[in-house]
Amino acid sequence: QAVVTQEPSLTVSPGGTVTLTCGSSTGGVTSGHYPYWFQQKAGQAPRTLIYDTSKKHSWTPARFSGSLLGGKAALTLSGAQPEDEAEYYCLLSYSGPRVFGGGTKLTVL
Amino acid sequence: EVQLVESGGGLVQPGGSLRLSCAAFGFTFSNYNMNWVRQAPGKGLEWVSYISISSSTIKFADSVKGRFTISRDNAKNSLYLQMNSLRAEDTAVYYCAREGKQQPWDWGQGTLVTVSS
Repeated sequence: QAVVTQEPSLTVSPGGTVTLTCGSSTGGVTSGHYPYWFQQKAGQAPRTLIYDTSKKHSWTPARFSGSLLGGKAALTLSGAQPEDEAEYYCLLSYSGPRVFGGGTKLTVL
Repeated sequence: EVQLVESGGGLVQPGGSLRLSCAAFGFTFSNYNMNWVRQAPGKGLEWVSYISISSSTIKFADSVKGRFTISRDNAKNSLYLQMNSLRAEDTAVYYCAREGKQQPWDWGQGTLVTVSS
């Protein structure tokens, strides 16, 4: 099965901007992979932030956005808040099997 | 309100079996594809299995293929995961997740499976 890669950890300053990326071992990520981004805080179930590359859930703060960037899926956080400190996972679909990335631990400091 | 409630987790010996259930509330279950996802202690998310609306398409991760079976009962608004030949590395919180076409996933709270002697 494909391997999906994410940065293991990133740090952003409060109010700052950071981009998390999601790559595929099979080549460039496209809209056909229907990229998802999930946020998971300690002790909680994951929840959807972004689906279908760039669409937002009803609860997703406006400061989060999804896109395709340089052959990868990207999650950009503009104006980081302390409550954004969490683990972020991307998910790609491969005509059936779904594969999660290893997750990015985002620290707001 | 969409609710997914997993049950059936617990302690099982290596080589044993367990059946997980996921009860769906607050939406038309038969309109959604479903997934099982697991998370080992302190580790990331791992997709386990997928079943389509009519059960016509079923997929598994290589790590569980041949040992796990997924099924659903649309009349009972329920999803199942039959886990056989369990190994220590299957120890995880198991989540069910609803997947609509070009819609966000919704998740249950998970049920813990521990494989240990």
